[in-house]
Amino acid sequence: GAVVSQHPSRVICKSGTSVKIECRSLDFQATTMFWYRQFPKKSLMLMATSNEGSKATYEQGVEKDKFLINHASLTLSTLTVTSAHPEDSSFYICSVPVVGSNQPQHFGDGTRLSIL
Amino acid sequence: AQKVTQAQTEISVVEKEDVTLDCVYETRDTTYYLFWYKQPPSGELVFLIRRNSFDEQNEISGRYSWNFQKSTSSFNFTITASQVVDSAVYFCALNHRNTPLVFGKGTRLSVIA
Repeated sequence: GAVVSQHPSRVICKSGTSVKIECRSLDFQATTMFWYRQFPKKSLMLMATSNEGSKATYEQGVEKDKFLINHASLTLSTLTVTSAHPEDSSFYICSVPVVGSNQPQHFGDGTRLSIL
Repeated sequence: AQKVTQAQTEISVVEKEDVTLDCVYETRDTTYYLFWYKQPPSGELVFLIRRNSFDEQNEISGRYSWNFQKSTSSFNFTITASQVVDSAVYFCALNHRNTPLVFGKGTRLSVIA
């Protein structure tokens, strides 16, 4: 069964809307989660590392005020795309690192965000 | 810094042909992990294999096989007797312990019936 649940799977909304994406670790406590972004026909690029109870760590070039990350519990991290614009349209996917597993990072199924 | 290079952007093969997807990596770490993922059109990442830097044994799983060669920093993936269902984007990735994965740019494989 799924180890990581990511919702919603698809969002289509108007420019200027804020969109919240949830990433839940179902079987493991996660003090850290990773958020990746994938533009069409491109690779997955790390956006930020979500840290439970503290501020997220953002990769260079990622606007922290644009992409708000909250990791308030050991099982949930949220990514909010604020005032989304068409250039934010992308595939967002989270992952949960799992110690001692042959699959050391479990990925959510991703969220396809389309801003009109 | 870590880097993964997948030089093949797109590959098309006819069903039942064998196909090899190349992956070359760079890292300064002595302990690292290599991965292959499959991403079908639906978008989710399907884990295929993990290999740690101390284990150079090649692995076979059904029609899939992997060739890890530290001497050339390569971790190539071969699909034998390809099938239409193998059509997807395949990513090679690298990390060090519990750090985020560094992905290659992916190879889009199209298997034609």
